Amino acid sequence: AQSVTQLDSQVPVFEEAPVELRCNYSSSVSVYLFWYVQYPNQGLQLLLKYLSGSTLVKGINGFEAEFNKSQTSFHLRKPSVHISDTAEYFCAVRRTSYDKVIFGPGTSLSVIP
Amino acid sequence: EPEVTQTPSHQVTQMGQEVILRCVPISNHLYFYWYRQILGQKVEFLVSFYNNEISEKSEIFDDQFSVERPDGSNFTLKIRSTKLEDSAMYFCASSVRATNEKLFFGSGTQLSVL
Repeated sequence: AQSVTQLDSQVPVFEEAPVELRCNYSSSVSVYLFWYVQYPNQGLQLLLKYLSGSTLVKGINGFEAEFNKSQTSFHLRKPSVHISDTAEYFCAVRRTSYDKVIFGPGTSLSVIP
Repeated sequence: EPEVTQTPSHQVTQMGQEVILRCVPISNHLYFYWYRQILGQKVEFLVSFYNNEISEKSEIFDDQFSVERPDGSNFTLKIRSTKLEDSAMYFCASSVRATNEKLFFGSGTQLSVL
């Protein structure tokens, strides 16, 4: 079975500072990896995904994530955050194209003016 | 970009009542899912559906829950006798069969059981 761990439940960061949201996963098979964002009172929006190939993937809104197979990690980063980045961020895995997505517990990012 | 639509956006019901949450997946998608998110908690998988059958369900998806694709466009989640603990945001998602790995999520239905 797959599982996802997000070690930080809450991350406060000042505006224009860099941020890293950590994600580790466990799986006995290859998986696809995702980061989803949930803005207040909204649904889930895909930020970026890793399927194969380059381990550094770029997503929307200036976010990027790096897949590290040896450490089974998929940390999300942004070099300079904006107030509008305040949201809940979910790391997720999916075993195959047709399988369910398993979500991590989420990290609440709060950007402080 | 195509969207998954969910109705209603908010639903309030009395404990013990039946509710039906409705979703219209993207038209060429073949795989359908329901997830829920209790306030302040993680997004949890409920059920996946393909070819008019349940493919997989979680332990949350007990006999009180059912899903249906009644007319080839809608995908519904029914809770027969709601409990207080069913209060949550329910998300529908769909995925196209092929190499597209992306799940498209609806904006959710907030269910409040009183």
